[in-house]
Amino acid sequence: QVTLRESGPALVKPTQTLTLTCTFSGFSLSTSGMCVSWIRQPPGKALEWLARIDWDDDKYYSTYLKTRLTISKDTSKNQVVLTMTNMDPVDTATYYCARSPSSYGGNDYWGQGTLVTVSS
Amino acid sequence: QSVLTQPPSVSGAPGQRVTISCTGSSSNIGAGYDVHWYQQLPGTAPKLLIYGDSNRPSGVPDRFSGSKSGTSASLAITGLQAEDEADYYCQSFDISLSGSGVFGGGTKLTVL
Repeated sequence: QVTLRESGPALVKPTQTLTLTCTFSGFSLSTSGMCVSWIRQPPGKALEWLARIDWDDDKYYSTYLKTRLTISKDTSKNQVVLTMTNMDPVDTATYYCARSPSSYGGNDYWGQGTLVTVSS
Repeated sequence: QSVLTQPPSVSGAPGQRVTISCTGSSSNIGAGYDVHWYQQLPGTAPKLLIYGDSNRPSGVPDRFSGSKSGTSASLAITGLQAEDEADYYCQSFDISLSGSGVFGGGTKLTVL
């Protein structure tokens, strides 16, 4: 079955770089059309789309965060990595990775999310 | 300020029908991008409820339905049940934002 799991630090300091890893199973990111996205949710607030990487290595970023984000994949390890530079307390959120079977399709499988707190 | 606009809250009694609107613009919903809907129960990850405007994934009850017209979309829930109390989000993509994804601000459904 399809599973995704986010991993990374629970606490980062302001100005540091956050690196999150999404490890998945049950599908291959080399399959035509397959995509993995990162979405975050600050406590008590709405979902925010961050980035997506497609099976053919096309990458898409939130226009508002583009300068701070980098998404990459390691198909052999079934992992997608998101880095976010210059972290700020407003970046405190639960970060989710999710799968979509097509570039502009819905995210049908989600990880359980990982809470990242930005504080000195 | 979300790119897609949803009402902050809706409510209904058990058995009733409620609708949640999702208003976009000519650069997202109106540009032809599909709309997807998610249900988020407290403390859990979102769950795909409707994809491609009006399609239900396997296992989603047919009490949930989606529609789209012009620059707006709607989620309808009939035969409201207590377990439907959750946050609901619409999602699409926006050509003016280089094709990046966009979410609505979310709607809290309260079952009275």
